[in-house]
Amino acid sequence: NAGVTQTPKFQVLKTGQSMTLQCAQDMNHNSMYWYRQDPGMGLRLIYYSASEGTTDKGEVPNGYNVSRLNKREFSLRLESAAPSQTSVYFCASSEAAGGGPYEQYFGPGTRLTVT
Amino acid sequence: KQEVTQIPAALSVPEGENLVLNCSFTDSAIYNLQWFRQDPGKGLTSLLLIQSSQREQTSGRLNASLDKSSGRSTLYIAASQPGDSATYLCAGLQTGANNLFFGTGTRLTVIP
Repeated sequence: NAGVTQTPKFQVLKTGQSMTLQCAQDMNHNSMYWYRQDPGMGLRLIYYSASEGTTDKGEVPNGYNVSRLNKREFSLRLESAAPSQTSVYFCASSEAAGGGPYEQYFGPGTRLTVT
Repeated sequence: KQEVTQIPAALSVPEGENLVLNCSFTDSAIYNLQWFRQDPGKGLTSLLLIQSSQREQTSGRLNASLDKSSGRSTLYIAASQPGDSATYLCAGLQTGANNLFFGTGTRLTVIP
């Protein structure tokens, strides 16, 4: 099993450009998450999908959109990138969201720089 | 909002030493607590998950404890090795929430 995979690994964008970060998991998990990691701050949740067909905002959703394409895939889109979105983005999945001891498994991350 | 703190931010120890990493949280309504390891430039690897009904979990040389009443968790690493060098993150899942609240991590260096 590959676990959680993310593409691309690295990306450089100019301010105003758009892009989509891809995430897929092969563990048959119901719930998927997007986090960002910034220096000196803990990982913060951007959006999550508790199950296929549902998405909800997390702590820092502004400037992002998400799509739960199917049970395996959850994408994160930046419509108009800003320098403040320079960060490392992690996708994660778990058997379910909340309500149980559901361990979250993380992908390798996408390192995004916006100039 | 749940606040998670990890002290110290960095720690260096000689190989073979036993050590304890600390994690504290402000809201005792923790459903579970997860400890992760992050190597430079890499993703997060889950080490241990402690449910709120448990007080500790063990995996090999690692032992994690959870004390909800005091708002603290500790990760004990026995007989440290250079390969243990990494950043260790703790994260709590709050009751009724769907996301983990992360600390900023402790960067551990084990000196051969």
